[in-house]
Amino acid sequence: QQQVKQSPQSLIVQKGGISIINCAYENTAFDYFPWYQQFPGKGPALLIAIRPDVSEKKEGRFTISFNKSAKQFSLHIMDSQPGDSATYFCAASCPRNSGGSNYKLTFGKGTLLTVNP
Amino acid sequence: GAVVSQHPSWVICKSGTSVKIECRSLDFQATTMFWYRQFPKQSLMLMATSNEGSKATYEQGVEKDKFLINHASLTLSTLTVTSAHPEDSSFYICSARTGSNGYTFGSGTRLTVV
Repeated sequence: QQQVKQSPQSLIVQKGGISIINCAYENTAFDYFPWYQQFPGKGPALLIAIRPDVSEKKEGRFTISFNKSAKQFSLHIMDSQPGDSATYFCAASCPRNSGGSNYKLTFGKGTLLTVNP
Repeated sequence: GAVVSQHPSWVICKSGTSVKIECRSLDFQATTMFWYRQFPKQSLMLMATSNEGSKATYEQGVEKDKFLINHASLTLSTLTVTSAHPEDSSFYICSARTGSNGYTFGSGTRLTVV
């Protein structure tokens, strides 16, 4: 059972455009929703994260929109640049002792973003 | 910020040998560390969760005797791939929980078994 569904699988955007990646989750116990950026041959790096008590969080060109009732959250990359070309993963985690999950992250399948110059 | 140092970044070994991958938390104490495996163009698959001073908790389908995890101190966790075979070739990544700020990942280890 995939608990975090991510779309699209791949995305091509022109330089300066807006990249939008969506995720949907099933487990209402999730309370932490991070987005990670991964370049080939490297580990994931945290971009931005949100908790369910807010509907939006913005850090520079990156914005998370969170819809608790719909159990969806999305990443918006404004003014996309070629250097943003990477794989992006959404994830979610539960509080400790929530079903014995011990804080482990559940990842989406990833979105390969290509920003054309 | 919190840094997790993972070594080696790549390793090639012969089939049947064992390989150890280390992850160290450089500026914080990591009570809990996670080990992932990632195949090309796929997501991260959690292999196991290790807690300092106790046995690791393995995910379903992960062979605990093949993937030995040791978390003997608050700053070091190791993954040993025993009797490696070509199908164990993959990208292995560790991660540590950094309190309420989330998780920090190592830079990954590319294992190639020949």
